[in-house]
Amino acid sequence: GQNIDQPTEMTATEGAIVQINCTYQTSGFNGLFWYQQHAGEAPTFLSYNVLDGLEEKGRFSSFLSRSKGYSYLLLKELQMKDSASYLCAVRDSNYQLIWGAGTKLIIKP
Amino acid sequence: TAGITQAPTSQILAAGRSMTLRCTQDMRHNAMYWYRQDLGLGLRLIHYSNTAGTTGKGEVPDGYSVSRANTDDFPLTLASAVPSQTSVYFCASSGGEHTGELFFGEGSRLTVL
Repeated sequence: GQNIDQPTEMTATEGAIVQINCTYQTSGFNGLFWYQQHAGEAPTFLSYNVLDGLEEKGRFSSFLSRSKGYSYLLLKELQMKDSASYLCAVRDSNYQLIWGAGTKLIIKP
Repeated sequence: TAGITQAPTSQILAAGRSMTLRCTQDMRHNAMYWYRQDLGLGLRLIHYSNTAGTTGKGEVPDGYSVSRANTDDFPLTLASAVPSQTSVYFCASSGGEHTGELFFGEGSRLTVL
């Protein structure tokens, strides 16, 4: 079966750095996505990786290793507004998105 | 720009009743999707449409139906609601079959009693 694993919850301190990991086992691979979802709101797109390596976008970076079935989202200079759930999703060989359950990130002052 | 609009935002429904969740987008996207989101689970695809006039079944289609008469509208119908359909429903669209970025509506919270 297809599976996306990410931690259920993480806690970090304002101003610090946090890394959210995602491992996947899917039927084929056509890209990995990270979305941010604030409580009670819709998910919004953060990043996309299809080749191995690091993609940087401001305070957020996303890394992919296809051989290891592994990705991480790195958030720097954490702000209180970064408190949200972070969803990892993989597009499989049928171009369907398989979603992880999400990681709830709690930022403490 | 409105993007994707869902209605209603919240609804309580008696079991056995029918319900249609409305979804309209103004981005002229070809592909549209309906997901349900339940606590502790990832988003699960109910139905999708790659272009107007076509629809397909996702991971959890049973008890739901969709139609895609035009590019903008993609309603989701529950013919006879059951309590297990209590969930938050998200409509989404993307610019093409192979485009990754999804744009989501604000969600419809449905409670079936």
